[in-house]
Amino acid sequence: AQSVTQLDSQVPVFEEAPVELRCNYSSSVSVYLFWYVQYPNQGLQLLLKYLSGSTLVKGINGFEAEFNKSQTSFHLRKPSVHISDTAEYFCASTAGTGRRALTFGSGTRLQVQP
Amino acid sequence: GAVVSQHPSWVICKSGTSVKIECRSLDFQATTMFWYRQFPKQSLMLMATSNEGSKATYEQGVEKDKFLINHASLTLSTLTVTSAHPEDSSFYICSAPSDRGGGGELFFGEGSRLTVL
Repeated sequence: AQSVTQLDSQVPVFEEAPVELRCNYSSSVSVYLFWYVQYPNQGLQLLLKYLSGSTLVKGINGFEAEFNKSQTSFHLRKPSVHISDTAEYFCASTAGTGRRALTFGSGTRLQVQP
Repeated sequence: GAVVSQHPSWVICKSGTSVKIECRSLDFQATTMFWYRQFPKQSLMLMATSNEGSKATYEQGVEKDKFLINHASLTLSTLTVTSAHPEDSSFYICSAPSDRGGGGELFFGEGSRLTVL
């Protein structure tokens, strides 16, 4: 079974500073990885995904992530955060692109301070 | 991206009553939908997979008689929490896979917050 580990439950950061949210996944023959953002009392919005190809994936809102197979990681980064980036971020994985459910990490709360 | 809509967004009910939550795919057909539950400050846990025209598949530990799932059409799945109790209070989120954007991702509804008094 897939598993996803988000090492940090909370990440406080000042506005305009860079941030990295960490995610590690359990190894599988083929794995597809996602980052979602959740604002309070809302559903999830996809930030970016890795299915294949380039290991550096760019997403919306200036976020990017790098797929690292040797370290089984898929860390999310942003060079300069805004107050509006304050939210819960979830890393997720699935073992294929078929109609499969995603397995989610425990989430990381990004708190951007002025 | 594809659009998934949930209704209601908020519901408060008395203990022992039943509550129905609807999940609709607005601009695509969804033969499969997934229902997740999220407790405060926790992650999303898959409850069940809803399959159009057939029985839902429940995850281990989820009571199928308590959480009734119906997927009667290609655009609608419903989750009914029967005889709700305070411990059922949670945020319920549905999602559906779509082939848009290369596939693989799930599109999520806005979520439904259930509070059982």
